[in-house]
This record gives sequence, C-alpha cells and structure tokens, in this order.
Amino acid sequence: GQNIDQPTEMTATEGAIVQINCTYQTSGFNGLFWYQQHAGEAPTFLSYNVLDGLEEKGRFSSFLSRSKGYSYLLLKELQMKDSASYLCAATRNTGGFKTIFGAGTRLFVKA
Amino acid sequence: DGGITQSPKYLFRKEGQNVTLSCEQNLNHDAMYWYRQDPGQGLRLIYYSQIVNDFQKGDIAEGYSVSREKKESFPLTVTSAQKNPTAFYLCATASGFAGELFFGEGSRLTVL
Repeated sequence: GQNIDQPTEMTATEGAIVQINCTYQTSGFNGLFWYQQHAGEAPTFLSYNVLDGLEEKGRFSSFLSRSKGYSYLLLKELQMKDSASYLCAATRNTGGFKTIFGAGTRLFVKA
Repeated sequence: DGGITQSPKYLFRKEGQNVTLSCEQNLNHDAMYWYRQDPGQGLRLIYYSQIVNDFQKGDIAEGYSVSREKKESFPLTVTSAQKNPTAFYLCATASGFAGELFFGEGSRLTVL
C-alpha cells in the first residue's frame, strides 16, 4: 500500500523556527518532495531529497531518512507570508513514475 | 513565456454533462499529470502520461478520461459517471519521470 502522513495544522510565531514532519510508506520509493501551496493557488516546489540527509536552501531545509520512512521540512525566520499549506509528496516507480501527496499541513504564522 | 496553461479557470456544469478541461504546456516536458484536490485535502492522482499516445490510470481514474495525442496537450474529460466531480483540478508536468512537478493555475469545477 501507500500512505503519507503529516500533521493537519500547525501554528508558529513570526521570526521563529517550525518543523513539519512527514512519514511515508510506499513501495518503489524514489524521492521525497516538499511543495508550498497558498490558499486557492497551485503548489510550488520547495525541496527534493533522494538521499539521506539534510538539504538546505535559504530559510528552508528538508531532511530525509529512507530507512525510517521519515522526512521533515524546517522553516527558519518565519514570515507572515509563510502561512500556507505544506505538502509532502513521494515519487514512486511501480511500472511508471508517479508522485503521491500527503493531505498537507496548514501552517499559520502569527505576529 | 514558458508555462502551463489550464482552461477554463472556473467552470459550472449541470449533473449528467461531460466537461473537458484543457491543459497545454510549452516547457517541452515529457510527463504530464492530472490531480484533483478537495477542500482541506491533498492532491489525488487521476491520470498521468509519460510519453505521447500513452497514459496510465492514477488512484482515482473512475469517471475520468484523457488523451495524449500531442506532447504539448493533455486534456481531461470529467464524465457523467464521476459521482462527485466538484473539485479543484490541477495539471502538472515534469521534465524527467521523477522530477519536480510544475503546476498550472488550476481549474475549479462546480456541479450544480
């Protein structure tokens, strides 16, 4: 089967750091993506991990542990504009590559 | 400008009617995808295509149909067999089979 789990909602304060966790179970796992989606808009790419470890890109970092089926997205120096949904997505190869998504974590950044 | 164009942006249909959502891309990407998103939920894969004249069912293909006659185009038809078609539909492309997805702006379908 396939399953991606992440928290439904999180709240954090402007300027703080927040970590959004994601666990996945899927056959044919290839890599792990994080996308940001503002309300009513399409998702946009944030990060990609295929190997274990931490990938850093400005205020955003993402970590992957393939053996544990676990990833997290770390957002530093939070800004109000970071209020959005964050989607964890896994790419699988099962006779064809496809990307499956978790339900998303809605992050509220408060002043 | 390079990108993905979805149309229409908003669409209303009566029950029992088929409707076709357009997705055109000029990114020269091989892979194209259709996802459905319901309020407060993640994206669910309807159909995907990794090469012209070939496509595969995703997780929720029932009540939908697609074609891939040209590399640039991947239209989705929502048929009357789809029991709950009101949703936000997103078309996406990828340059490689396991690459990041690039999304169109979406089409919001409402069944009256």
